[in-house]
Amino acid sequence: EVQLVESGGGLVQPGESLRLSCAASGFPFSAYTMNWVRQAPGKGLELISYIGSSVGTIYYADSVKGRFTISRDNAKNSLYLLMNSLTAEDTAVYYCARAFPTYDSSGYYPDYWGQGTLVTVSS
Amino acid sequence: SYDLTQPPSVSVSPGQTARITCSGDALPKKYAYWYQQRSSQAPVLVIYDDSKRPSGIPERFSGSSSGTMATLTISGAQVEDQGDYYCYSTDSSDNSWVFGGGTKLTVL
Repeated sequence: EVQLVESGGGLVQPGESLRLSCAASGFPFSAYTMNWVRQAPGKGLELISYIGSSVGTIYYADSVKGRFTISRDNAKNSLYLLMNSLTAEDTAVYYCARAFPTYDSSGYYPDYWGQGTLVTVSS
Repeated sequence: SYDLTQPPSVSVSPGQTARITCSGDALPKKYAYWYQQRSSQAPVLVIYDDSKRPSGIPERFSGSSSGTMATLTISGAQVEDQGDYYCYSTDSSDNSWVFGGGTKLTVL
């Protein structure tokens, strides 16, 4: 059974940093691209970052580019998101999701999701 | 950036057919994916590659795509199908993978 468990969320002040973790199990973690998707309170889903299986491919949405860093440790079956210079607009539930390749190999789509971890940025 | 447009809300009575649409310029050439998100829960994939259903998803869920519009159909909608539904796809250059704005489905 695929399991993804996020941790590291909490309340931080504007300008501070936070590191999220995602522990994966039930599938060969090193073989899969992984996503971070966030959802602000009462809002929709936003793909903010993904990292390829071998770390060669990394993507950031414009909204987090230059502030967030995605990484992975395949030996520990873990995905990370380091978030710097946080603002109130970063307040959201952050989901870790496994990415499955599309049929035409044009990209990836999230197929399994964790339960999310809440990040609140407020003074 | 690329936009996928969904209606904000759809409402049906139990047993009726619910149709949720997703409009995007690249959909004639790109697959659509659909996610269900019940209240305060993580999203669940219900349709992939326009019309395929993952194991464990009830047969009443189906997907189709024609031109610039993809459609999620729930035949015989049940109260437990209530929630938010999001489509997901990419632009024609595969550079911008995005979610639609979401559609709130009410079954009552």
